[in-house]
Amino acid sequence: AQSVAQPEDQVNVAEGNPLTVKCTYSVSGNPYLFWYVQYPNRGLQFLLKYITGDNLVKGSYGFEAEFNKSQTSFHLKKPSALVSDSALYFCAVRDRYSTLGRLYFGRGTQLTVWP
Amino acid sequence: ETGVTQTPRHLVMGMTNKKSLKCEQHLGHNAMYWYKQSAKKPLELMFVYNFKEQTENNSVPSRFSPECPNSSHLFLHLHTLQPEDSALYLCASSQTREGLSEQFFGPGTRLTVL
Repeated sequence: AQSVAQPEDQVNVAEGNPLTVKCTYSVSGNPYLFWYVQYPNRGLQFLLKYITGDNLVKGSYGFEAEFNKSQTSFHLKKPSALVSDSALYFCAVRDRYSTLGRLYFGRGTQLTVWP
Repeated sequence: ETGVTQTPRHLVMGMTNKKSLKCEQHLGHNAMYWYKQSAKKPLELMFVYNFKEQTENNSVPSRFSPECPNSSHLFLHLHTLQPEDSALYLCASSQTREGLSEQFFGPGTRLTVL
């Protein structure tokens, strides 16, 4: 069965500091992995995805994520956090062999960046 | 912004009312999804449509009735809801070619059942 775990409900970081939002996954075979962000009263916005190739994936708004197969992780990172990055972040995984593109989401991590 | 629109954005209804949520995507995608997002709970996939055919129904109560008249439009018909059905209902679409299936989400409908 496919699943995603986001071990932290909340992450707090000071503006200008690096941030990491953690995600681990469980999937049969090779995964497709995604990060989404949700601002208050908005839908989810796609940030980045890992399909194949380089383990370091770059996405929108200066975010990047590192795929680690041995640790089954896909942590989201940013070198220097902004107050405007404060939002709810979701990791998701898709079975590579799913023809419907069904995603399995984590519970979300609330990121707060304080000035 | 994302090419997926939802109406209404907010809806308040009594338990005996009948209402419908509408979703429209302008991206040429073939798959559309309904999700329920409740506080403190993971996103719950409710229904999946692929080329207008319902391919998944995740044990959703019959008081929720989806309709997909074409690949661009998706409805969620609501009747005799319960207060615990209050949530943010999100619509999404995707192109389900192998490996290129990030989903694009609408802004959601905030539903309150009194």
